[in-house]
Amino acid sequence: GAVVSQHPSRVICKSGTSVKIECRSLDFQATTMFWYRQFPKQSLMLMATSNEGSKATYEQGVEKDKFLINHASLTLSTLTVTSAHPEDSSFYICSARDALGVAEAFFGQGTRLTVV
Amino acid sequence: GQQVMQIPQYQHVQEGEDFTTYCNSSTTLSNIQWYKQRPGGHPVFLIQLVKSGEVKKQKRLTFQFGEAKKNSSLHITATQTTDVGTYFCAATSDYKLSFGAGTTVTVRA
Repeated sequence: GAVVSQHPSRVICKSGTSVKIECRSLDFQATTMFWYRQFPKQSLMLMATSNEGSKATYEQGVEKDKFLINHASLTLSTLTVTSAHPEDSSFYICSARDALGVAEAFFGQGTRLTVV
Repeated sequence: GQQVMQIPQYQHVQEGEDFTTYCNSSTTLSNIQWYKQRPGGHPVFLIQLVKSGEVKKQKRLTFQFGEAKKNSSLHITATQTTDVGTYFCAATSDYKLSFGAGTTVTVRA
């Protein structure tokens, strides 16, 4: 199946700093990518929909100024956690669906963010 | 997005036994997808069901979509240690996926 690459897989940062997470579709074009957050032993919570060439659509309760999303090309979306705090520590996962409308979502490997 | 409820949250199974996890919605779903997430890993697509009453099989896994398209189930027969993980159902709405809470499966040998 298609491959979505997410980087970094783990990151530890200090409070107040910003962290950028990259999500790339390696063998298909993704006009839309999705960013999820997952707490331990919980489900995936959709944070935002990243649209190539336009602004991201954020889910209710997700701060757009806190979680900056950029989808500059059909194969790359980035999530920047700005002014990170310990409560932002979590597992962040991106996913993408083929631009041609294939049903299944392909997930990146996830990024374990720890803010100290 | 679509709200899907999934039960049970945890399933501890004796190796070789069968079990079922259920997914329910209060509204009619256009389709339902199932994913598996291994411990420490990311979700991997298993299957999509679209038609009312649809049943699909993948080796020891049987997926079913209810007649009213409001519920779905995943039945695993002869559980093996490789079945360990969390199984999520997910519903599509406006091209977005909403995930159920997941059923975390552990297997005792």
